[in-house]
Amino acid sequence: KNEVEQSPQNLTAQEGEFITINCSYSVGISALHWLQQHPGGGIVSLFMLSSGKKKHGRLIATINIQEKHSSLHITASHPRDSAVYICAVSRGGSEKLVFGKGTKLTVNP
Amino acid sequence: DAGVIQSPRHEVTEMGQEVTLRCKPISGHNSLFWYRQTMMRGLELLIYFNNNVPIDDSGMPEDRFSAKMPNASFSTLKIQPSEPRDSAVYFCASSSRGKGFEKLFFGSGTQLSVL
Repeated sequence: KNEVEQSPQNLTAQEGEFITINCSYSVGISALHWLQQHPGGGIVSLFMLSSGKKKHGRLIATINIQEKHSSLHITASHPRDSAVYICAVSRGGSEKLVFGKGTKLTVNP
Repeated sequence: DAGVIQSPRHEVTEMGQEVTLRCKPISGHNSLFWYRQTMMRGLELLIYFNNNVPIDDSGMPEDRFSAKMPNASFSTLKIQPSEPRDSAVYFCASSSRGKGFEKLFFGSGTQLSVL
């Protein structure tokens, strides 16, 4: 079993829909990152969180430390949100990240 | 700031050749990371530096891989000799680590093809 599991693996939505991507991890962590990888390959860090919730525009990330689970929500999804979303965790004070396999999101107009 | 700058963007080489990938982190960032991405294994950390000192190189596949950070503004990842299984996208990232963890900034990556 991977240390970081994401679901779903693939997700197709219609423009305007509310999107949820899930990330579960099996070890205690120091921080959790959500990354976005565009179709062209570039990677952007969306959030880094260790507790609670963070919001940036239409994106919301939450984490439940007790349940070892994080969610990334996208409100009013748009075709430009189409990308691979990757969850990654660091633990034990190390900056070494362990990555999930990613969720490929396609938002159709 | 120009962001994290990697070169080259694409590299095609023949098996057995030496390959050198380069990275310039964001000015003021004190942590630098080298990642490799393949279809099979996804993203993996190869090595990271803090204040130019290698902290964790447990992800470096074997002795054919080496990384250096001679100063705060430059790092290299070298593969010698290269093999077809080294074909992947190699990303460099940097962050400014204070008392906690900070957001990562990624370069555009180097697409390496070893024939």
